[in-house]
Amino acid sequence: DGGITQSPKYLFRKEGQNVTLSCEQNLNHDAMYWYRQDPGQGLRLIYYSQIVNDFQKGDIAEGYSVSREKKESFPLTVTSAQKNPTAFYLCASSPRTSGKNIQYFGAGTRLSVL
Amino acid sequence: GESVGLHLPTLSVQEGDNSIINCAYSNSASDYFIWYKQESGKGPQFIIDIRSNMDKRQGQRVTVLLNKTVKHLSLQIAATQPGDSAVYFCAEGPGGYNKLIFGAGTRLAVHP
Repeated sequence: DGGITQSPKYLFRKEGQNVTLSCEQNLNHDAMYWYRQDPGQGLRLIYYSQIVNDFQKGDIAEGYSVSREKKESFPLTVTSAQKNPTAFYLCASSPRTSGKNIQYFGAGTRLSVL
Repeated sequence: GESVGLHLPTLSVQEGDNSIINCAYSNSASDYFIWYKQESGKGPQFIIDIRSNMDKRQGQRVTVLLNKTVKHLSLQIAATQPGDSAVYFCAEGPGGYNKLIFGAGTRLAVHP
C-alpha cells in the first residue's frame, strides 16, 4: 500500500519538551515538505527538502528542525523554542516532474500542548 | 477565497447544482496552479492542476479556469454531491521543485 505515513496521529507536548513527528513515504519521491495548519487557515511551509541530506527553510521555520538522512524519511522536531506549537502538521512529498509540483499529503499529526 | 482568519468563506449549494469556487493568486510570475480538497481531520487531496500556458483544463466533473490577466483561478464542480463537502484550497507556484503558496481555503457545503 503506497503512500505517505505520518505518526503519531495525536501528540501532546509538555512545556520545555522537544517532540518529533514522523513522516515516511514509499512513493520514491525526491522532494518532501512539512506544513503547519492552524484552524480555519491555509497551509504554511515550515521546511522542505529536494534531495537527501539537503533541506531549506520555509516561511515559518523558527522553532522547528528537520533531517533528511534517507529518501523515504523526513522527520520534524518541534523544539521548546516554538512557543505556540498547537496545530495540525502535514507532511507531503512530490516526484520530480518538469513544470509540475503535485504534492501528495499524509493524514496529518495533531499536536497539542499540555 | 481570501482569508478571513478563523471564519472561512463558505459556499452553500444544493445537491445536483454546479459549484464555482474562486481564488485570487498573488504572484504574476507563478506558472503553475493546483487545487486541493481537504475533508475534516484529513490531509489535502489533489484534484486538478493547470499550467500558465493553458486557460482551461477539465477532469472528471471538475474544470479549472485560469485568467492570468486578473490573476484569478476558479474550480468548477459539476452536479455537486454531498461527498464534495470539504474545504478547497488553491495553490500557486513556479513549477518544478519549488514551493507552493496556498490560499486560505473556501468551505463548500452541499445541502440535500
